[in-house]
Amino acid sequence: QKEVEQDPGPLSVPEGAIVSLNCTYSNSAFQYFMWYRQYSRKGPELLMYTYSSGNKEDGRFTAQVDKSSKYISLFIRDSQPSDSATYLCALAYNAGKSTFGDGTTLTVKP
Amino acid sequence: DTAVSQTPKYLVTQMGNDKSIKCEQNLGHDTMYWYKQDSKKFLKIMFSYNNKELIINETVPNRFSPKSPDKAHLNLHINSLELGDSAVYFCASSQGQYEAFFGQGTRLTVV
Repeated sequence: QKEVEQDPGPLSVPEGAIVSLNCTYSNSAFQYFMWYRQYSRKGPELLMYTYSSGNKEDGRFTAQVDKSSKYISLFIRDSQPSDSATYLCALAYNAGKSTFGDGTTLTVKP
Repeated sequence: DTAVSQTPKYLVTQMGNDKSIKCEQNLGHDTMYWYKQDSKKFLKIMFSYNNKELIINETVPNRFSPKSPDKAHLNLHINSLELGDSAVYFCASSQGQYEAFFGQGTRLTVV
């Protein structure tokens, strides 16, 4: 079993929809939870970072961590065509060593 | 000004050759990484250096040798290239517990 499982997608939604992207994990030692966005033929860029449990909001993006269920989510409100990308969750318990999910490819149709 | 830059962006080479990829960051970060992303988009850490010192060395064939001449540079040399080495290689840097900035990637194709 992988340490991090990410909903595989692909996901296709109309513009303006609320998107939910999810990962589950098995190692309760993970303390740092990240979401990256990767456009085609580009490097991943850090979107959101959360330490321990709770919610964090940044504009249209909300990251949620539920350590008791070992479940993390990224919500995108009012999705835009420019949000079309692959989203990667990443979890870490040691300094600098992240374990990545396989990614979910999102397409937002105008 | 590019934060993490890699050269070259594309590399096509024959099996058995030796090649190098260079990475430079201008963010003043202490830690740099090499990641490999396969055709299914799975991103896996290969190496990590903190202030020129190797701190993470995952199970990678010893044909891959990283070198950090200073904390702003991390290069990757690959000997005797194999078909299975074809992938996108990303350099990243951070100043903390998580990877903050990735380069644009080097797309390596071994033929």
